[in-house]
Amino acid sequence: DAGVTQSPTHLIKTRGQQVTLRCSPISGHKSVSWYQQVLGQGPQFIFQYYEKEERGRGNFPDRFSARQFPNYSSELNVNALLLGDSALYLCASSLGPFTGELFFGEGSRLTVL
Amino acid sequence: EDQVTQSPEALRLQEGESSSLNCSYTVSGLRGLFWYRQDPGKGPEFLFTLYSAGEEKEKERLKATLTKKESFLHITAPKPEDSATYLCAVQVYGSGNTGKLIFGQGTTLQVKP
Repeated sequence: DAGVTQSPTHLIKTRGQQVTLRCSPISGHKSVSWYQQVLGQGPQFIFQYYEKEERGRGNFPDRFSARQFPNYSSELNVNALLLGDSALYLCASSLGPFTGELFFGEGSRLTVL
Repeated sequence: EDQVTQSPEALRLQEGESSSLNCSYTVSGLRGLFWYRQDPGKGPEFLFTLYSAGEEKEKERLKATLTKKESFLHITAPKPEDSATYLCAVQVYGSGNTGKLIFGQGTTLQVKP
């Protein structure tokens, strides 16, 4: 079975631009979460979606938005990029919304210049 | 505020030299504590779930334990392939309708042959 897949794997943007990151969960998983990991730090929660509904949002500005599609794939959008948005963006899927055993993708490495 | 602190930040061991990693947590109500392993450039990989004080889980050279204030990841006779960053995370009650994880900053383990 395929694991969690994310695209793109690497991307470079300039300040003020917008970016869309994509995630396909493991087949059968209905919960998708997004985490931001800055170099040298642990992942920080951004969003959780379950059955296409937002279940939670971390302490991130409104420039960050996400959605989940009927096939349970998900997109994370970040507008008006700042230098501080440079990070590894991780997508994780799980069977249920309260399952702590998350299956992570390899991430999308965003660099903002 | 719910908080997770890991120590040490970095640990260097000789192959076969056993040691322990610490995860201290301050939370309003613990739903579960999780250990993950993260290799460079990869997403975290799930290792263990612990739910209550006194609980222990083992997998190969790794053993995770839980008390009311902290968790330990014991590594017995480590091998170079155990080199990675080990992340501790908690899930707490009262996080609204979300199963978000709160991660520590991680301990980077290097095992030299």
